[in-house]
Amino acid sequence: GDSVTQMEGPVTLSEEAFLTINCTYTATGYPSLFWYVQYPGEGLQLLLKATKADDKGSNKGFEATYRKETTSFHLEKGSVQVSDSAVYFCALSDYSGYSTLTFGKGTMLLVSP
Amino acid sequence: EAQVTQNPRYLITVTGKKLTVTCSQNMNHEYMSWYRQDPGLGLRQIYYSMNVEVTDKGDVPEGYKVSRKEKRNFPLILESPSPNQTSLYFCASSFVSSSYNEQFFGPGTRLTVL
Repeated sequence: GDSVTQMEGPVTLSEEAFLTINCTYTATGYPSLFWYVQYPGEGLQLLLKATKADDKGSNKGFEATYRKETTSFHLEKGSVQVSDSAVYFCALSDYSGYSTLTFGKGTMLLVSP
Repeated sequence: EAQVTQNPRYLITVTGKKLTVTCSQNMNHEYMSWYRQDPGLGLRQIYYSMNVEVTDKGDVPEGYKVSRKEKRNFPLILESPSPNQTSLYFCASSFVSSSYNEQFFGPGTRLTVL
């Protein structure tokens, strides 16, 4: 079955540091890939997505590129802020007629001033 | 405002006492789903529904029931809660079409079963 593996956290960074959170996946076919973010005490919000190979999703300074050859979708940001502290989930949708998501276990990011 | 609402947000109960967590969306979405979030396990799908009167099991349906009598509502029912159902629960909804549609998540319900 489908699965998503992402690096364990917490990831602790100082403000303005470079961020990478690794994500790899296993799926049949050609899934769509997503990063969701969960701020403290809130539900999940879609951060960015990519629907086909070599697509780059971007939002709020975050980027991720769909790499079919390495089955990866790593999340990057050039300069993190304290307000980026949250839990980040990588997910895929191996579309089968509806929008079911398979999530990774989540990576907590803590950014200090 | 387009949103998914859940009630209650926090609930402490005892083993065996039936409870219902409500979920409602105002976006006319066909698809609705329940997830549980546990430390180190991420989000796992409990049940989902493609439309009114259509429900199906997700990855961890044991101990849960759902119903979809109206398009906007998708309650999660625990007939006889047990401590291993202590978790953070999220409801989500989206449209259904030929391509992926973003899922919108509710704020979560933190359930503790003693």
